[in-house]
Parts: sequence; structure tokens; C-alpha cells
Amino acid sequence: LAKTTQPISMDSYEGQEVNITCSHNNIATNDYITWYQQFPSQGPRFIIQGYKTKVTNEVASLFIPADRKSSTLSLPRVSLSDTAVYYCLVGDRAAGNKLTFGGGTRVLVKP
Amino acid sequence: SAVISQKPSRDICQRGTSLTIQCQVDSQVTMMFWYRQQPGQSLTLIATANQGSEATYESGFVIDKFPISRPNLTFSTLTVSNMSPEDSSIYLCSVRTSGGGYEQYFGPGTRLTVT
Repeated sequence: LAKTTQPISMDSYEGQEVNITCSHNNIATNDYITWYQQFPSQGPRFIIQGYKTKVTNEVASLFIPADRKSSTLSLPRVSLSDTAVYYCLVGDRAAGNKLTFGGGTRVLVKP
Repeated sequence: SAVISQKPSRDICQRGTSLTIQCQVDSQVTMMFWYRQQPGQSLTLIATANQGSEATYESGFVIDKFPISRPNLTFSTLTVSNMSPEDSSIYLCSVRTSGGGYEQYFGPGTRLTVT
């Protein structure tokens, strides 16, 4: 499984856009990029998944450049309730049963 | 999607004892997973539990320490045996639903403290 690198922490303020970049230089052709969110005292929750270009859902957008060696999770107009740890994972979706969690990015949204 | 419950939600146990954690899913799933999350750390996969076969353990985890049962498609248990303070962690089960993408659904976790 490709190794991922993301910032340890980020601070933001309510109403701002938060962008978290994840590096995955060794991503393989069959690998997808997936982001999970974990609130304190809860299990991780799937946010978004993508292979290339841009994916958007009701929670976030995921931007993936052509070389796929990095990806950026964008959280629009964050609120205090978006304070959480965000994990970037890379793996083969077809065989992707094993999730390997990296360190994650701890996002703190301030009032 | 899948809704997962775990019992107990938390427990305080004495060293040398064992605790069995239950994981119940609201739908039938083939693949269930057990993770450990030590305080302030990321998640580490302990084992994969498929119904009808022996659990598959990750490096550093052994069956004698973490025996797993998977009697049917909606239920699994993880036992933490002969506990020591180093076993103090949050233990989470997760499932991957058939026909889905890469996403897994996680239970709320069991917070274990060993004294």
C-alpha cells in the first residue's frame, strides 16, 4: 500500500475553506484515494473517494492532479463541528479491504 | 451503508484478565475488521474476520492474545486476553458492505483501560 504524508495539524476559523494536502508519491495505477473523518470518541467516517481530477459531494471536494502523486481535500465554509482528524488513505479498491491509516491531520476550527 | 454497535462502550479491567468485545451489524456483511487505536494515535488493523474462515491477523497481533469469533454475517467478537496496561486502547470494528466502493463503516469503539 502506498505511503501517505499529510500535515499533523491545521487551524482554521468558522466560515473559512480548509484545504488538506496529502502526498502519495508511490501511488499505483489501481489505487484510489480515500478520505476519512474522525470525531473524538467516534469511529472514522468515510468522506470522499476519487481516482483522478475532481470529485465533489455534499461534504467535501477532492482534487487530484494528473500525476496523482498528491491530493487535496477541500472543506468549504467550515464550522466548529468540523473539528476532527482527517485521514488520507491510498489503496487498490478492488483489493481494498485492508485500510492502512497514517497519522492523519488534526483540524481545529476556531470561532 | 451499515450501522454498527459495539458492547461494551467502555470498561476498566485488571491486568491478567480478559475482555470480550462484541460487534453487531444491522445487515449481513462478508468482511469485518478489528482495529486498535491507542491514545492520541492513528488506527492499526488487528485482524480481518470473515464468516466461515479463520481470522487473518496482521503483523504483531496473534490469535492467542486476540482471539476472534465470527459466527454469522452480522456479528463478531474480539477478546483481549491476559491484559496488561499496554492494551489500554480503543478497539473498533468495521465492515465493508458488498457492492460498495472502498469505504468501510466503523463502530463507535470500545474504550478499554487496564489497571
